Amino acid sequence: GQQLNQSPQSMFIQEGEDVSMNCTSSSIFNTWLWYKQDPGEGPVLLIALYKAGELTSNGRLTAQFGITRKDSFLNISASIPSDVGIYFCAGQEWSNDYKLSFGAGTTVTVRA
Amino acid sequence: DADVTQTPRNRITKTGKRIMLECSQTKGHDRMYWYRQDPGLGLRLIYYSFDVKDINKGEISDGYSVSRQAQAKFSLSLESAIPNQTALYFCATSPAGGDEQYFGPGTRLTVT
Repeated sequence: GQQLNQSPQSMFIQEGEDVSMNCTSSSIFNTWLWYKQDPGEGPVLLIALYKAGELTSNGRLTAQFGITRKDSFLNISASIPSDVGIYFCAGQEWSNDYKLSFGAGTTVTVRA
Repeated sequence: DADVTQTPRNRITKTGKRIMLECSQTKGHDRMYWYRQDPGLGLRLIYYSFDVKDINKGEISDGYSVSRQAQAKFSLSLESAIPNQTALYFCATSPAGGDEQYFGPGTRLTVT
């Protein structure tokens, strides 16, 4: 699978701030997934998106499946210290036999 | 109890040694995957299996082999470990026809 372009690579955020990160690809995707990885743990699925234009929330997290089907966005509202971690996007192409392509991750650090 | 377990969680071995990493799941999923994670590179697919009789190479299979002993068990072997195989290794599962993958806690492997 292709490598997705995920940005920013890292961010320092103030507690209480809203933040955004995004992922882009050169191919059309059928599914976008967002994961969070805490230190010493495996990635945990946060949100799954299946339809272009879809907007889905999970608590303070909101993710969108881009209209072009080549991008996705994740927003975190009112950041708190436990939001620290690495956030990964992942996508599945129609032709890619149910294999996922992953972004390199966005490392989030919260300033208390 | 965790749905996807990996053993060992940490392993230090010497160059040239054979190593086996094991993965078990209680989710009842047909599909299992092995990934490698290196800093700044995200997750890269090593091997995947869609059922007990199905084994497929991923993007970085050289130097690795796998065995799907049962629906619930998928092991990864390094026949002759080398230092550049030092990394975090993750097992994941997904249901047949589903895109969402669920990850184990990971194995940190160091080859000296």
